[in-house]
Amino acid sequence: EVQLVESGGGLVQPGGSLRLSCAASGFTFSDYYMDWVRQAPGKGLEWVGHTRNKADGYTTEYAASVKGRFTISRDDPKNSLYLQMNSLKIEDTAVYYCTRARATGLDYWGQGTLVTVSS
Amino acid sequence: DIQMTQSPSSLSASVGDRVTITCRASQSISSYLNWYQQKPGIAPKLLIYAASRLQSGVPSRFSGSGSGTDFILSISSLQPEDFATYYCQQTYSTPRTFGQGTKVEIK
Repeated sequence: EVQLVESGGGLVQPGGSLRLSCAASGFTFSDYYMDWVRQAPGKGLEWVGHTRNKADGYTTEYAASVKGRFTISRDDPKNSLYLQMNSLKIEDTAVYYCTRARATGLDYWGQGTLVTVSS
Repeated sequence: DIQMTQSPSSLSASVGDRVTITCRASQSISSYLNWYQQKPGIAPKLLIYAASRLQSGVPSRFSGSGSGTDFILSISSLQPEDFATYYCQQTYSTPRTFGQGTKVEIK
């Protein structure tokens, strides 16, 4: 059974940093692109970015709203995905979802972890 | 960036109704269009991929159509469990943008 479990969310002050983790199981993690998607309270879905798989060079891409502040990384032997968030802004407040990405869409999602940026 | 525009933003319908939601891309995305369903407090679920292909386990009352810039999600006979918010997403290019969502409410 595919499972994605996020952790690391919490309350942080503007300008602060936070690192989210996603533990994956039930599939060959190294074969897949992995995406982060977020959802601000009461709002729609926003794609944050992704990391490609080993075959495609582990390259990353980001939404303009987070580029230069957020970094996506992965540790394939640990079946783990990470999102390092720096210089956090109030507008980064959201539930952050870890997702498994295929050419056919985001087929598995974690339960999400809430990040609140507030003073 | 490719902009995705859904319409309507919300709709009210009754159980048994046929419902259609449209999604328009700001440029051609071929068939790189997916649909998701989200219920309150729960992660989204993939319904349709590649514009018209039903994800495994999704009821056949859901269907998708379209290519290029215009896409449709249809629910042939709305069931109580279908009241939710629906999002389209393009995977033609990055950033992989979502539509703003369509909330399907009970009439």
